[in-house]
Amino acid sequence: NAGVTQTPKFRVLKTGQSMTLLCAQDMNHEYMYWYRQDPGMGLRLIHYSVGEGTTAKGEVPDGYNVSRLKKQNFLLGLESAAPSQTSVYFCASSKGDSGANVLTFGAGSRLTVL
Amino acid sequence: AQSVTQLGSHVSVSEGALVLLRCNYSSSVPPYLFWYVQYPNQGLQLLLKYTSAATLVKGINGFEAEFKKSETSFHLTKPSAHMSDAAEYFCAVSDEGDQAGTALIFGKGTTLSVSS
Repeated sequence: NAGVTQTPKFRVLKTGQSMTLLCAQDMNHEYMYWYRQDPGMGLRLIHYSVGEGTTAKGEVPDGYNVSRLKKQNFLLGLESAAPSQTSVYFCASSKGDSGANVLTFGAGSRLTVL
Repeated sequence: AQSVTQLGSHVSVSEGALVLLRCNYSSSVPPYLFWYVQYPNQGLQLLLKYTSAATLVKGINGFEAEFKKSETSFHLTKPSAHMSDAAEYFCAVSDEGDQAGTALIFGKGTTLSVSS
């Protein structure tokens, strides 16, 4: 089982460029999430999805868009990258709507915006 | 809104010493609480979780945590540190009543260093 796979693992962008991070899970999970991790800040929720075709904003959604066209995939887009978006991005998934559900995380995507 | 506070961004111990990582939560309803560990250049993996079944929760790699409602705490302990325990540890809370569903709210993390 691959679990949660994120691509790409590393990316360098120039300010104003666009890109998409792809998250794929093979566990048939309903819920998927995008977090960003910054030094001393922990993980902060960007957007999440409670099922195919649905998305919602998290704590820090500005500058990002997401789509969940297929249950197994959750895409995170940056339309016009800014240096403040330099971060490590983590995708996660979970079974359903219970707070006791465990999140399974991908290995992360390190993005640098110059 | 619920939140977690991890006391101490960096904890250093000697190999064989007790590990104590502190976490306090703020929640208006009984929470679900988690500890995750992140090894260098890896994603997060679950150490243990509290879901109200028992106040003392045992996890992987010899870690355990005790839920204390009176102190709103969920501190992580391990009796004897090993070099392989060096990592970043995150406390997290999930509240079923929260609009974000099962999204976890994370503390800022504690980096554990273990010296020989």
